[in-house]
Amino acid sequence: SQTIHQWPATLVQPVGSPLSLECTVEGTSNPNLYWYRQAAGRGLQLLFYSVGIGQISSEVPQNLSASRPQDRQFILSSKKLLLSDSGFYLCAGRREDNEQFFGPGTRLTVL
Amino acid sequence: GENVEQHPSTLSVQEGDSAVIKCTYSDSASNYFPWYKQELGKRPQLIIDIRSNVGEKKDQRIAVTLNKTAKHFSLHITETQPEDSAVYFCAASNSGYSTLTFGKGTMLLVSP
Repeated sequence: SQTIHQWPATLVQPVGSPLSLECTVEGTSNPNLYWYRQAAGRGLQLLFYSVGIGQISSEVPQNLSASRPQDRQFILSSKKLLLSDSGFYLCAGRREDNEQFFGPGTRLTVL
Repeated sequence: GENVEQHPSTLSVQEGDSAVIKCTYSDSASNYFPWYKQELGKRPQLIIDIRSNVGEKKDQRIAVTLNKTAKHFSLHITETQPEDSAVYFCAASNSGYSTLTFGKGTMLLVSP
C-alpha cells in the first residue's frame, strides 16, 4: 500500500534558523507530491506540489522552497525561519484515482 | 480557479443526533469530491468520496450527496457518537488538474 513518511514529528527552531523537512513515499512510483501547512485551528494551505523529479509548482509566495531530488522524495526548506512559519506541515501523495493521502505531519514551532 | 465554501464552521450535536455539513464549489468541471476527517494533532484521513457520475454514496453511518446543477455537496453523519468529534474538510478537484481545493473545515463536537 502507498505510505507517506515524514520526519521529524516535532521541531522547535529559533527565528532566523534554516529548515529542512523531508517526505518520502513508498508503494508507488512517479507520484504527485504536495506540501501543506496548517496553522492552529485553521484549514489546509497548499504550499507546493510536484508532478515529477525537479518539477515544483508554488502556490503561495513566501520564504519557503521545495525540491524533488528523487522520485519518492520531496523536501521543504527555508534559509531563515519567521515566527509566522510555525504550524503543522503535512506532506501528501496522490493516487491515480485522485485521492490524496497524507503523512503524519511535522509540528514546527518557531521561537 | 476552483473555490470551495464550507458551512458551518462549527457544529455541536448531541450523541445520537444527525449532523450535516455542506459545501459549494465554483468550477463546473470539478468531478471528484472527497471528505476528510482530522482528529486533533493527527493527519487528515479520507472518510468518503464521490465522483460526478454518482448522486449519492453511503458507507454505514456516513453518506455524501452531490448536486451538480447547484454545485453543492453534503456530508451526512447519522447516529453521531463522541468519537465522531473532529474537524471535517470537504474538497473538490478536476481530474485533469493536479490539486485538490479544500474548504476551510467544520469542527464537529458530539456531546455524550
